[in-house]
Amino acid sequence: KNQVEQSPQSLIILEGKNCTLQCNYTVSPFSNLRWYKQDTGRGPVSLTIMTFSENTKSNGRYTATLDADTKQSSLHITASQLSDSASYICVVSACDMRFGAGTRLTVKP
Amino acid sequence: EADIYQTPRYLVIGTGKKITLECSQTMGHDKMYWYQQDPGMELHLIHYSYGVNSTEKGDLSSESTVSRIRTEHFPLTLESARPSHTSQYLCASSEWVGSYNSPLHFGNGTRLTVT
Repeated sequence: KNQVEQSPQSLIILEGKNCTLQCNYTVSPFSNLRWYKQDTGRGPVSLTIMTFSENTKSNGRYTATLDADTKQSSLHITASQLSDSASYICVVSACDMRFGAGTRLTVKP
Repeated sequence: EADIYQTPRYLVIGTGKKITLECSQTMGHDKMYWYQQDPGMELHLIHYSYGVNSTEKGDLSSESTVSRIRTEHFPLTLESARPSHTSQYLCASSEWVGSYNSPLHFGNGTRLTVT
């Protein structure tokens, strides 16, 4: 069983709508959690990093949250755009890095 | 634009052939990685390096080898390709500042198909 579980596996939303992606982890000890965006045919690009003491962090229309007690993180995308269509990967770091399988987001016009 | 480059982008090759996937970065990063990525699955670490003359095996059992003769160059070699090697291969680099606080910078990958 993967130590980093993401849900949903895939998601289709209309342009302009908001959505929330989930990441649950069992990795311990915890150092940080990072969200990556991977466009089709490209490598992943870091969106944001959350450390143990941080609850919320925003990067433009992306807002990440972290609950270190329940070992859950979310990535909220506001006012989605067609360019948000991508896979979003959660990576939890401790002694090494553990990757989630990603959520495939499709934004339709 | 990424400062880490992978070639080729696509490769179709027959079983038994020897291949080398190239990866170069211009950021002066000490740490470099090779990952395997299959659709709907998490990335799996194949090899990594802390710097010149350092190479380590990752989690994924692999029949590949790597070398790190120069900081900027981290090629991956398959001595005898098999259909099970068909996958996407991603190269990445990062500054080594401890605790993985530095982000990974990825190349755009090599899509390998072994027939």
